[in-house]
Amino acid sequence: DAGVIQSPRHEVTEMGQEVTLRCKPISGHDYLFWYRQTMMRGLELLIYFNNNVPIDDSGMPEDRFSAKMPNASFSTLKIQPSEPRDSAVYFCASSLNNYGYTFGSGTRLTVV
Amino acid sequence: KNEVEQSPQNLTAQEGEFITINCSYSVGISALHWLQQHPGGGIVSLFMLSSGKKKHGRLIATINIQEKHSSLHITASHPRDSAVYICAVNGGATNKLIFGTGTLLAVQP
Repeated sequence: DAGVIQSPRHEVTEMGQEVTLRCKPISGHDYLFWYRQTMMRGLELLIYFNNNVPIDDSGMPEDRFSAKMPNASFSTLKIQPSEPRDSAVYFCASSLNNYGYTFGSGTRLTVV
Repeated sequence: KNEVEQSPQNLTAQEGEFITINCSYSVGISALHWLQQHPGGGIVSLFMLSSGKKKHGRLIATINIQEKHSSLHITASHPRDSAVYICAVNGGATNKLIFGTGTLLAVQP
């Protein structure tokens, strides 16, 4: 397995634009997590899914953020409209039975 | 007060030294994780513990459930061990991952 695959690796966008981050979890894993990492706040859980169903989105900062998991092999995190304070590294991770985690390489988002 | 505290925040060591990074937590947990992140890099899971001790190569992780404390040890440290080491627990009412702020380790040759 190629591990958790995230795209793009880097994204630079202008304030106000829509940004879509993508994640392909490890095949067979039933949990998928989106995390955000900043210097100020460290790693924070944004949302997680179990069997494609969103379970806890309490970490999503605002209505500008939305996440979907249309099937077991794909998830998106969308920010619309983006703001400079959204600049961070966004990690996706997957897990089997919420036991152990495999992280993707992250997407470094810069909003100018 | 953070639910997961790590110490030290920064650590500089000479190659070959024995290194200890500590993690204390204040919530009930089902598991504790040690993660490694190289500068500009992704996050790698090193250990998942719920009791006792685990060893992988030069890395050793221990946990004391009663004291709510875990340690990560690196024996014979090497410059390639330079990274941020993050402690995280599956804890609280929702059992989701709660992260410490990380320990930045620099091993000098």
